[in-house]
Amino acid sequence: AQTVTQSQPEMSVQEAETVTLSCTYDTSENNYYLFWYKQPPSRQMILVIRQEAYKQQNATENRFSVNFQKAAKSFSLKISDSQLGDTAMYFCAFMKLLGTYKYIFGTGTRLKVLA
Amino acid sequence: DVKVTQSSRYLVKRTGEKVFLECVQDMDHENMFWYRQDPGLGLRLIYFSYDVKMKEKGDIPEGYSVSREKKERFSLILESASTNQTSMYLCASLGNEQFFGPGTRLTVL
Repeated sequence: AQTVTQSQPEMSVQEAETVTLSCTYDTSENNYYLFWYKQPPSRQMILVIRQEAYKQQNATENRFSVNFQKAAKSFSLKISDSQLGDTAMYFCAFMKLLGTYKYIFGTGTRLKVLA
Repeated sequence: DVKVTQSSRYLVKRTGEKVFLECVQDMDHENMFWYRQDPGLGLRLIYFSYDVKMKEKGDIPEGYSVSREKKERFSLILESASTNQTSMYLCASLGNEQFFGPGTRLTVL
């Protein structure tokens, strides 16, 4: 069975600084997707970034980038130039490429960006 | 624009009541999901559906049932609500990614 671990329940960062959120996972699958989702306070959960396991290149979306280490089963999220609007819960998630399309979520990291 | 809506943002029910949580998506997606979100536990899958009238249990199905009579609508049913079902309930629909509804915060007294 797959598991996803986020070891940092809470983090804070100064505005304009860079922060990295950690995620590790356990799987015997070779083909899968990894995701980072953001849930702002009292707002809808939205996708931040996704990574296909077969791609060696790390995904990037504007100020958000990942460090995907397949052998180490690590998938961290880096937020550059942090903004107050980045304050949110961040969830790491895993999905097998073949199967029932179920996502396995981590327990989340609450990030607070400080002015 | 992709849209997943849930019937209520906040709901208060009494122990033993039957509770219906509705979710509607407008993207013609086949796969839909119900999660509950609790502090420190992340999102846990209750049930999912991969087609009309098709459903599968997730990780925590006890005390819940679901209904999918139409492709766009996926309902979560608490047959007899209990206080330990007080939680945030999230519905999602799967396209290239999972799209989430705004959530229903259910309190069972």
